[in-house]
Amino acid sequence: NAGVTQTPKFRILKIGQSMTLQCTQDMNHNYMYWYRQDPGMGLKLIYYSVGAGITDKGEVPNGYNVSRSTTEDFPLRLELAAPSQTSVYFCASSSMRGVSQPQHFGDGTRLSIL
Amino acid sequence: GQQLNQSPQSMFIQEGEDVSMNCTSSSIFNTWLWYKQDPGEGPVLLIALYKAGELTSNGRLTAQFGITRKDSFLNISASIPSDVGIYFCAGQNNNDMRFGAGTRLTVKP
Repeated sequence: NAGVTQTPKFRILKIGQSMTLQCTQDMNHNYMYWYRQDPGMGLKLIYYSVGAGITDKGEVPNGYNVSRSTTEDFPLRLELAAPSQTSVYFCASSSMRGVSQPQHFGDGTRLSIL
Repeated sequence: GQQLNQSPQSMFIQEGEDVSMNCTSSSIFNTWLWYKQDPGEGPVLLIALYKAGELTSNGRLTAQFGITRKDSFLNISASIPSDVGIYFCAGQNNNDMRFGAGTRLTVKP
């Protein structure tokens, strides 16, 4: 029962570097999401996707890009890493049945930018 | 934007005690959810509430969807050491989900 799988679990980047955070789910969910969680805070939505080929901005999209070429994968890209992007990143997915279906989360990617 | 105020920020209780935490918003939500997050892991859904006034239980956990659709509470009865963690409320409208800042629960044996 893999659910939502995120890689890598930890990463340290230098300012200005780029990287892609990977997320894959095996539940055939149409909806996928990327959140960031800063210390002592709740999660904030970066981007989401309602299906392959469709993505939309969330609450805090600046500095990030996403793509959704398959139902299973929803990678998050940082093009020019900045210290403000140091955070824990969570990917989530939910089914398409009905509205407001609960989201299932991965275990997170801890990213530090120095 | 929609803001969720979750309280208390932290709680230190004795094993066996009951716990209550709540979440309020300035905006209406169609769904209220409660998640628990253990260190190094993602949030895990505890209870989902879909109707105003709804009261739902999951074992020792009980949550209610406020009648105004702007608030929700979570109760944990007879706490045990494994209840330790951070509890998050979330309000959801379609694909937009907003989280509270969390309640950090410590249970002393």
